[in-house]
Amino acid sequence: TQLLEQSPQFLSIQEGENLTVYCNSSSVFSSLQWYRQEPGEGPVLLVTVVTGGEVKKLKRLTFQFGDARKDSSLHITAAQPGDTGLYLCAGVRSNTGKLIFGQGTTLQVKP
Amino acid sequence: DAGITQSPRHKVTETGTPVTLRCHQTENHRYMYWYRQDPGHGLRLIHYSYGVKDTDKGEVSDGYSVSRSKTEDFLLTLESATSSQTSVYFCAISRQGDLSNNGYTFGSGTRLTVV
Repeated sequence: TQLLEQSPQFLSIQEGENLTVYCNSSSVFSSLQWYRQEPGEGPVLLVTVVTGGEVKKLKRLTFQFGDARKDSSLHITAAQPGDTGLYLCAGVRSNTGKLIFGQGTTLQVKP
Repeated sequence: DAGITQSPRHKVTETGTPVTLRCHQTENHRYMYWYRQDPGHGLRLIHYSYGVKDTDKGEVSDGYSVSRSKTEDFLLTLESATSSQTSVYFCAISRQGDLSNNGYTFGSGTRLTVV
């Protein structure tokens, strides 16, 4: 059983389209992080959200932490081929302080 | 990425043989982690270390052991490799255990194939 469920698992879109990736759990997290991973490399941290309801923007990427701190979303506006990659959400468990990763969303943006 | 290196980057080994993967950091971070990444499972924690000679198990620790004799090095050993341990292994570091404002820095991974 995956503690953090990401959806969709695969997404193929055209350049210029918008998209949203969801990260859901029945557990509460003290914070949630989003990473991006390219083939042959390790994940790279994009953002950390800490407060319920928090919204953070990173250029065309918007991250939101749910009010109850159980879910998060990543929205990309006007996707570009350079956005192609694997997006991973990871929650910090309050009781252990350890990161739990979702299974990832593979995004392909076609020119 | 700069500051954390994994070796080897690729390895093919036979079932039943011991294998050691190395993670080396130059950031002087206290915390180090070993993850494995498999399709459909994301990243799963194998073992972690919170200081020299201080290690603990993660969620998928069976069949693996670790050692940390120096701050900069964290070794992952498969005592007797099995085909189910074919995976991509990532090492990560963090400055402190509280991740509210700090993320992990990952190495580039080791692709291990057990035949």
